[in-house]
Amino acid sequence: QVQLQESGPGLVKPSQTLSLTCTVSGGSISSGGYYWSWIRQHPGKGLEWIGYIYYSGSTYYNPSLKSRVTISVDTSKNQFSLKLSSVTAADTAVYYCARDPAGAADHWGQGTLVTVSS
Amino acid sequence: DIQLTQSPSFLSASVGDRVTITCRASQGISSYLAWYQQKPGKAPKLLIYAASTLQSGVPSRFSGSGSGTEFTLTISSLQPEDFATYYCQQLNSYPITFGQGTRLEIK
Repeated sequence: QVQLQESGPGLVKPSQTLSLTCTVSGGSISSGGYYWSWIRQHPGKGLEWIGYIYYSGSTYYNPSLKSRVTISVDTSKNQFSLKLSSVTAADTAVYYCARDPAGAADHWGQGTLVTVSS
Repeated sequence: DIQLTQSPSFLSASVGDRVTITCRASQGISSYLAWYQQKPGKAPKLLIYAASTLQSGVPSRFSGSGSGTEFTLTISSLQPEDFATYYCQQLNSYPITFGQGTRLEIK
């Protein structure tokens, strides 16, 4: 059974870079067939797709965040990562990583709350 | 961007009721639509993909239908564990977008 687990700082200062890692267990990122996604949810709000990466390194980002987002993959560690630069309070959210077989996200991490505050 | 509008935004119902949630897309998305259930403090759970395909392990009381711009999620007989927030998601074009959610509460 595939499991995903987000990790990273829960508090980031304004203007700094938010960095999160998703560790995948029970399956190999490099086996192909899946997109590895980041999705966030502002407190008490709906879901926002940030972007995803294929194991080959191809990426797709939400244009609303594209100038600040980088998603990368490390197949040797079976991890993929999110970097969001120049954060503000508006980036405070629960960040989820998920696996997407190009039809919907069928496995999700538990989510991690990132607060942007000085 | 493709906008997804769910209706209603809030729904009060009783155990055993049949409920339907609608998701309308601002432009045609073929059948590239998924439905998720989210409970407080938890990650969303995939219920339906490709508009009408039930995800493995999801009870058969959940069903989805539609194509193009109008889609529905139906729960045939509400169970206590079904009270949650439901989201639709389109995967037809980038950026992938979600509906605003429908909160289903116990009457």
